[in-house]
Amino acid sequence: EVQLQESGPGLVKPSQSLSLTCSVTGYSITSNYWGWIRKFPGNKMEWMGYISYSGSTSYNPSLKSRISITRDTSKNQFFLQLNSVTTEDTATYYCARTTTVVTPFDYWGQGVMVTVSS
Amino acid sequence: DVVMTQTPVSLPVSLGGQASISCRSSQSLVHSNGNTYLHWYLQKPGQSPQLLIYRVSNRFSGVPDRFSGSGSGTDFTLKISRVEPEDLGDYYCLQSTHFPYTFGAGTKLELK
Repeated sequence: EVQLQESGPGLVKPSQSLSLTCSVTGYSITSNYWGWIRKFPGNKMEWMGYISYSGSTSYNPSLKSRISITRDTSKNQFFLQLNSVTTEDTATYYCARTTTVVTPFDYWGQGVMVTVSS
Repeated sequence: DVVMTQTPVSLPVSLGGQASISCRSSQSLVHSNGNTYLHWYLQKPGQSPQLLIYRVSNRFSGVPDRFSGSGSGTDFTLKISRVEPEDLGDYYCLQSTHFPYTFGAGTKLELK
């Protein structure tokens, strides 16, 4: 069974970078698509982007200048970096898998709450 | 971006009763390949979202038949019959027809 687990700091200062890791077990990240989604306080959800089986990426245009998703296939992990964070980036961040670019995310991590505060 | 308007925001229900949640999109969700990529999730308290329904009306693995999805074009509905305690939580619709993917604002299903 596919399992995903997010990890990373729970507190980031404004203007700094947010960096999270998603560790995947039970499935190779060299197949399918692996994405990041966040849920804001107040419950709004936002798709942030994904990295494909080949390493290509696609990002939400609202984040395009600040976001980077990379991977380490040897560790079966993929990563989120979000630069120049503000308090509005405070959210719970989830990593998830989808099988194609149009199918829904079917397996999700438990999520990691990140607070942006000085 | 496609705007997903989800109603109601809150839905009080009785156990054993029925619930209906609406999701309307600002443009048609019919993909150029003819499929409609509208999906439904349930997020229970303290858990990550779980996929219930994909492509309008297909139940994901293990989802009970109390959950059903319907609709077409821009207008979609999730129905839950014989509501059980484990059905309580936040429901979201998601469209993946158009880039970027967008979610509805959520509906909280709670006990009356």
